[in-house]
Amino acid sequence: AQKITQTQPGMFVQEKEAVTLDCTYDTSDQSYGLFWYKQPSSGEMIFLIYQGSYDEQNATEGRYSLNFQKARKSANLVISASQLGDSAMYFCAMREGWNTGNQFYFGTGTSLTVIP
Amino acid sequence: DAGVTQSPTHLIKTRGQQVTLRCSPKSGHDTVSWYQQALGQGPQFIFQYYEEEERQRGNFPDRFSGHQYPNYSSELNVNALLLGDSALYLCASSSDGTGHEKLFFGSGTQLSVL
Repeated sequence: AQKITQTQPGMFVQEKEAVTLDCTYDTSDQSYGLFWYKQPSSGEMIFLIYQGSYDEQNATEGRYSLNFQKARKSANLVISASQLGDSAMYFCAMREGWNTGNQFYFGTGTSLTVIP
Repeated sequence: DAGVTQSPTHLIKTRGQQVTLRCSPKSGHDTVSWYQQALGQGPQFIFQYYEEEERQRGNFPDRFSGHQYPNYSSELNVNALLLGDSALYLCASSSDGTGHEKLFFGSGTQLSVL
């Protein structure tokens, strides 16, 4: 089974509107971390936001927030007030366990296009 | 403060050749991981180096090998290149420890195998 599933290959949003990018995950570990990265056409993966499995509150970083629903194993990224520079690929990722040696599992990504 | 740097940015090779990709981690980081990103896919874990040893490995054949130097920089070597090895190769660095340290990525090396 896929560890990370992103079901939206492409999304469009009007500038200044909010958009939600979906992510579901699969793990039997109690301790895990969920991450979102942005990948512009330059190729570099840019960290956006992190949510730990034991964090009770949803993570927020500026215009980014993570809608964490543990029972449903979902970790959706919400971008508020979209900007043209938000157009990029977005990847959801998970690291299982508490060991930094453990690998990241990535989803297949969602391509976001912000329309002026 | 320099981030993760990778070289070269682009590379063209032919089938059967060997290639070496290089990575310098972000200052203060001692752990380097390599990922392969095929077109239209998410990154796939190749392996991770810590204290000059391969600590963990993903589902990649032995044609993929690596090295980490005392200054924490790292190399990814791929032997007997196949057409399917064409991909963006991303290097990521982090600090070792417990907890969920995020990865810092370089801009990648785009490898084309003809």
